[in-house]
Amino acid sequence: DAGITQSPRHKVTETGTPVTLRCHQTENHRYMYWYRQDPGHGLRLIHYSYGVKDTDKGEVSDGYSVSRSKTEDFLLTLESATSSQTSVYFCAISLLLVLTGTGELFFGEGSRLTVL
Amino acid sequence: SQQGEEDPQALSIQEGENATMNCSYKTSINNLQWYRQNSGRGLVHLILIRSNEREKHSGRLRVTLDTSKKSSSLLITASRAADTASYFCATALTGNQFYFGTGTSLTVIP
Repeated sequence: DAGITQSPRHKVTETGTPVTLRCHQTENHRYMYWYRQDPGHGLRLIHYSYGVKDTDKGEVSDGYSVSRSKTEDFLLTLESATSSQTSVYFCAISLLLVLTGTGELFFGEGSRLTVL
Repeated sequence: SQQGEEDPQALSIQEGENATMNCSYKTSINNLQWYRQNSGRGLVHLILIRSNEREKHSGRLRVTLDTSKKSSSLLITASRAADTASYFCATALTGNQFYFGTGTSLTVIP
């Protein structure tokens, strides 16, 4: 298994509260991603990072912010959680291979967030 | 909007049969990948096919890519009960941005 740890694995919170999910990797990979998974929508990219302090938005970034102050940690923050953000959140990492210009994703086990 | 869409949404077959699932996407891609997800777990990479490739094999997996039709198929031969999972295609628009489809739920009946 790729060395990816997500925390917390389960969280129940109330609408309007801030929530931070953490993704920690031991692989020293440059690229890190946050996805959310919802029935009928598959996985949707929220934000990704291509290096320390280098991040960019994905297709569903509204209501989310991220930070990457160290190579190994990528934080996803919901400043004021809403019920529509109830989901399973997956972190992934990727080693972009210079020769091929692409790579594969390695996923964490997911963080299940319920916003009441 | 979703970059990829899998078809069918759900598939149920007998053990030993072949399973075929399809993926359609919307824009030009660098490569296309297939992933598997067991219930309650993270996704696991199965196979990658580059935009200049038409077919690729890995064990019991065969992937085809038709860039003119913007579609790909994943064939699992001689399916086993352990193949029961959800399967997702993912497209890379550039080398490092990956967008997933909605997935196909495969059930293999022993």
